[in-house]
Amino acid sequence: GQQVMQIPQYQHVQEGEDFTTYCNSSTTLSNIQWYKQRPGGHPVFLIQLVKSGEVKKQKRLTFQFGEAKKNSSLHITATQTTDVGTYFCAGLSSQGAQKLVFGQGTRLTINP
Amino acid sequence: DAGITQSPRHKVTETGTPVTLRCHQTENHRYMYWYRQDPGHGLRLIHYSYGVKDTDKGEVSDGYSVSRSKTEDFLLTLESATSSQTSVYFCAIGRNRQRQETQYFGPGTRLLVL
Repeated sequence: GQQVMQIPQYQHVQEGEDFTTYCNSSTTLSNIQWYKQRPGGHPVFLIQLVKSGEVKKQKRLTFQFGEAKKNSSLHITATQTTDVGTYFCAGLSSQGAQKLVFGQGTRLTINP
Repeated sequence: DAGITQSPRHKVTETGTPVTLRCHQTENHRYMYWYRQDPGHGLRLIHYSYGVKDTDKGEVSDGYSVSRSKTEDFLLTLESATSSQTSVYFCAIGRNRQRQETQYFGPGTRLLVL
């Protein structure tokens, strides 16, 4: 079945440093979604990308969808302590059952 | 948030006992989902529903059953709880955004099976 791999599993940075997490799917996706989960909280939808090569920005966050629609990345510029949490990508396959498959998540911790 | 509540929020139970978790939504969404979250595994789909009395299995459905007798309620039952079912359980609803479905999660239920 469809698999979504996310790396790294953990990332610790100094406040002000940049951060990137990568997501790779075993199958072509119709869309990729990103979620953020604060410690002790629930996943919260951030954004979805639909088009091949699409790039979207939300303030210091930049999201990219690969040309082949099998990979994606989330880049945070100049991290702040409010960015702490786990970031999940989730892919919706372009074939077969329309169920989101989540990556394992990247847990970001920040040294102030 | 999306008007999703889960109950109970925390539960401790013993191996072999039945457990039912409830998810309630106030927005009349058709799609509802149950996930479990474990370290290193992210979110794994247990079961989902696409309407009243319409349900299907997800990736990790063994040992779980679900029911949806009303649009607003989606119940997850562990018929005979095992320690491997200790986890955090999230319910989610599906909303259409740009004709693609995105998911909105409830606050979660922490279940400890002793």
